Order: sequence, then C-alpha cells, then structure tokens
Amino acid sequence: QVTLREAGPALVKPTQTLTLTCTFSGFSLSTRAMCVSWVRQPPGKALEWLARIDWDDDKYYNTSLKTRLTISKDTSKNQVVLTMSNMAPVDTATYYCARIPPDRYGNSRPFDYWGQGALVTVSS
Amino acid sequence: DIQMTQSPSTLSASVGDRVTISCRASQSISSWLAWYQQKPGKAPKLLIYKASTLESGVPSRFSGSGSGTEFTLTISSLQPDDFAAYYCQQYSSLYTFGQGTKLEIK
Repeated sequence: QVTLREAGPALVKPTQTLTLTCTFSGFSLSTRAMCVSWVRQPPGKALEWLARIDWDDDKYYNTSLKTRLTISKDTSKNQVVLTMSNMAPVDTATYYCARIPPDRYGNSRPFDYWGQGALVTVSS
Repeated sequence: DIQMTQSPSTLSASVGDRVTISCRASQSISSWLAWYQQKPGKAPKLLIYKASTLESGVPSRFSGSGSGTEFTLTISSLQPDDFAAYYCQQYSSLYTFGQGTKLEIK
C-alpha cells in the first residue's frame, strides 16, 4: 500500500525558509525511474508544480521558483525534503507531495499517489 | 514552458447529464496528458493518463480523448459523487496544470 504524508510548520513568517518533509511507504526511491514531486495549491486556486527528484538524484524545478527551491532525498528514511526560501504571503498554500511511478517502456507518467497535503500560512 | 488552458472554469449540470471539459496546450504534448478530480479539502485523484487511459478503479463513465494540443474529458452520465473540481496536466515537458474546472450541481 502506497502512502505519502507531508509534515512541516503550519505557520511561517515572511522572509523565513520553509522546510517540508514527505515521508512515504509502499515504494522505494531507489527503484529505477521512481520519482517524487511537490505541488502546491493556494486557497481556492489551481495546482502548481514545484519540483521533482528522481531515483538517481536528478532534480527539476519550476522555472519561476527555481532560485528559491531545493529538493533532496534520504532514501534510507523514505523521505523527500523541500525547502523554499524567502517565503511571502503569496506562498500561503496547501503543499502536496506525490509519487511518479516508473514506466516499463521508459515513458513519462503522471502523479498516481498523493499525500493529504500540508497547509502552510505565511504571516507575520 | 508549456501553458495549459481549461474551459469552462465553472460548469453547472444535473445528475444524469453528459458533460465535457476541454483542455488546450500551448504546444504539442502528443498524448502526455492527465486528468485529475479534486474534492474540497482532499488531494487530487488521478482519473486518466496518456490522454485516454483510465486509471485502475476509475468508473467507465469517465473518458478522455485528444492528442497534440486539444483534449477533452467526458463524463457520460453524471453521478452525485462527480461534483468536484477537475484539472488537466501535461507531463510532456516537466509538468503544468490547467486552471481547473469546477463542476457544480445545477
């Protein structure tokens, strides 16, 4: 059974750095072509992809947020960590982590399992 | 970056109706398109991938079509559980979501 769960502070102050941890089970990030992504959703708004980390430690970022994001993994702990620097009120959102499974033909795949989300509010 | 445009943003319909949601990509994405359903306070749920492949466990009243830049999600006969928000997503070049369609009860 695949599960993912996000953890982090519910409230951060402007200019602070946000650190979110995704802890997962039911799969391994050492499996070839397995990936984990982060997605966020401001209240009442659309989903926005943030970052992806692959089984081989390749990393990809949303171009408009790239300078503020860092994604990393601890395979032994089944965790993926996202940091976002210089937080502002517009970054208030629910942050999700999601799994991207491998494809036996090497094709791209969408997000098949998601965590429940972590609401982060940015306010002084 | 690839942009995704969904329409309509809001759709009012009744149980039993057939509804269609459209999604347009700013450049060709072949068939690398997914559809998600999201209910309030919940994570998105994958419905369809590769434009027309139904995810395991998803009812057959959901279907997807299209390729290149034009895609549609069709629900053949709306059920009470289907009233939710729907998002398209391209995964041809990293990822982009559409702005969403809220399907509400008429």
